[in-house]
Amino acid sequence: EVQLLESGGGLVQPGGSLRLSCAASGFTFSTCAMSWVRQAPGKGLEWVSSITGSGGTTYYADSVKGRFTISRDNSENTLYLQMSSLRGEDTAIYYCAKGPYNGNYNFDYWGQGTLVTVSS
Amino acid sequence: EIMLTQSPVILSLSPGERATLSCRASQSVNSYLAWFQQKPGQAPRLLIYDASNRATGIPARFSGSGSGTDFTLTISSLEPEDFAVYYCQQRSKWPLTFGGGTKVEIK
Repeated sequence: EVQLLESGGGLVQPGGSLRLSCAASGFTFSTCAMSWVRQAPGKGLEWVSSITGSGGTTYYADSVKGRFTISRDNSENTLYLQMSSLRGEDTAIYYCAKGPYNGNYNFDYWGQGTLVTVSS
Repeated sequence: EIMLTQSPVILSLSPGERATLSCRASQSVNSYLAWFQQKPGQAPRLLIYDASNRATGIPARFSGSGSGTDFTLTISSLEPEDFAVYYCQQRSKWPLTFGGGTKVEIK
């Protein structure tokens, strides 16, 4: 059974940093593209970032480029999102999502999400 | 950036009725369009990928059609558990984008 378990969310002050993790199990992690998608309270879905199976190529939304860094540890089956220079508009539930295979960014499984609140 | 416009924003229907949801892209996405269902307090769930393919475990009452810029999600006969918000998403070009959503509510 595919499982994605996010952690690391919480309350952070504007300008602060946070690192999210997504522990994966139930599939061959290194062969799948992975992504982060967020949802602000009461709003729709917004793609944040994606990474290839090897970790060699990354993609970012303009809204987070230069502030967020996606990475993965295939030996630990874990996806990360390092967030810095956080702003109020980054407040959201952050979901990790997997693609069915490398290079395919259909989000076929999602974690339950972790809430990030940016506020003073 | 490819914009996805979903309509209607709210769809009020009764159980057993047919639901037709639309997603229009600002430029062609070929068939690289997916549909998701989201219920309150839950993560989104993939329903349809590549315009017309049902994801694993999705009932046959859900179907997708379209290509290029115009896409449709059809629920042939609404079950009580189908009342939710539905999003379309394209993976044709970076950045990946989602539509604003259609809420299917009980009439």
